[in-house]
Amino acid sequence: GQQVMQIPQYQHVQEGEDFTTYCNSSTTLSNIQWYKQRPGGHPVFLIQLVKSGEVKKQKRLTFQFGEAKKNSSLHITATQTTDVGTYFCAFTGGSQGNLIFGKGTKLSVKP
Amino acid sequence: DAGVIQSPRHEVTEMGQEVTLRCKPISGHNSLFWYRQTMMRGLELLIYFNNNVPIDDSGMPEDRFSAKMPNASFSTLKIQPSEPRDSAVYFCASSPRGSDSPLHFGNGTRLTVT
Repeated sequence: GQQVMQIPQYQHVQEGEDFTTYCNSSTTLSNIQWYKQRPGGHPVFLIQLVKSGEVKKQKRLTFQFGEAKKNSSLHITATQTTDVGTYFCAFTGGSQGNLIFGKGTKLSVKP
Repeated sequence: DAGVIQSPRHEVTEMGQEVTLRCKPISGHNSLFWYRQTMMRGLELLIYFNNNVPIDDSGMPEDRFSAKMPNASFSTLKIQPSEPRDSAVYFCASSPRGSDSPLHFGNGTRLTVT
């Protein structure tokens, strides 16, 4: 079925380094959402991108939707220990318009 | 806003027993989702309700799983009989307008079947 590939699966960074996770699809997406799940927690909505080429910023986080609407990225500038967690992209797909999640990128930050 | 409320937080049961997970969505949200999360398979959608009506249950693993939404403020996910491979974290989420709007997740139920 329809799915997205998220890379990398894991990322270990030193505090202060930048971090980027990518979400790639073989088909055009109508929109994409990003979620963060802290260890032991539940997914929390971060942002939704809808337009081709859209770029949105939330403090140190920058989200981008590709021109062809087949890929998206989340970039964190100068990571902090509070950024630890798994970042998921999700898209509306399937025959019934369900929200389908990627496998996520697990970020660890060494102080 | 109390958020999505799930109960119980943890459930440990023996193989063959019936398990019932409960969810209270955010008031005013018309869509409710049940997801299962495991290390191997990630977040899998089990079933999706819109205005209390099941829209897509293709993710429900097999006949042992059933879900109901008798009204706008309550949903259950039942597993009967449970098996060790059902061990996972089960999340309920609600949204104002289906999957095109942000999902609000509950804290989840961690199920262990021995």
